Amino acid sequence: NAGVTQTPKFQVLKTGQSMTLQCAQDMNHNSMYWYRQDPGMGLRLIYYSASEGTTDKGEVPNGYNVSRLNKREFSLRLESAAPSQTSVYFCASRDLEGANYGYTFGSGTRLTVV
Amino acid sequence: RKEVEQDPGPFNVPEGATVAFNCTYSNSASQSFFWYRQDCRKEPKLLMSVYSSGNEDGRFTAQLNRASQYISLLIRDSKLSDSATYLCVVNTDRGSTLGRLYFGRGTQLTVWP
Repeated sequence: NAGVTQTPKFQVLKTGQSMTLQCAQDMNHNSMYWYRQDPGMGLRLIYYSASEGTTDKGEVPNGYNVSRLNKREFSLRLESAAPSQTSVYFCASRDLEGANYGYTFGSGTRLTVV
Repeated sequence: RKEVEQDPGPFNVPEGATVAFNCTYSNSASQSFFWYRQDCRKEPKLLMSVYSSGNEDGRFTAQLNRASQYISLLIRDSKLSDSATYLCVVNTDRGSTLGRLYFGRGTQLTVWP
């Protein structure tokens, strides 16, 4: 029961470097999400994808891009990392048909930008 | 105004105590409601859904008041293992459109021996 798998678990970047956070789910869920979590701020939605081939901005999309590669995979890219993007990133998925079901989260990526 | 507001706590209670968390939401069209639990440095995990009639799962009881846009979580007979942050979560679906969840900032609970 893998659920939602995120890689990497930890990453340190220098300002201006780029990287892609990977996320894959094996539950055949339609919708997938990327959140960041900062102390005192709670979880904030970066981007989401209702279904394969569609993506939409969330609350805090600036500085990020996403790709819904197929139904399983949803990646988050930082083109030019900034210290303000130091955070814990969570990927999540959900079955759009299951309105009474919440998200399944990945274990998170702890990113530090120096 | 945030979609979901919670008292951040922290709540520090002895083992065996009863503790209640409250949450309010701003969108009267919200469709479904959840409580998540998040342990330190871990991902949030679904604790329980909240139904209109209220629901119970062992020592945990969730209540929803749609008129007041208010959700609560009651934990009876607290255990040390209940120490965590509890997140109130609201789904603002519009009919068949995308399910998108809004998270409160969480309420921190510490249960001491």
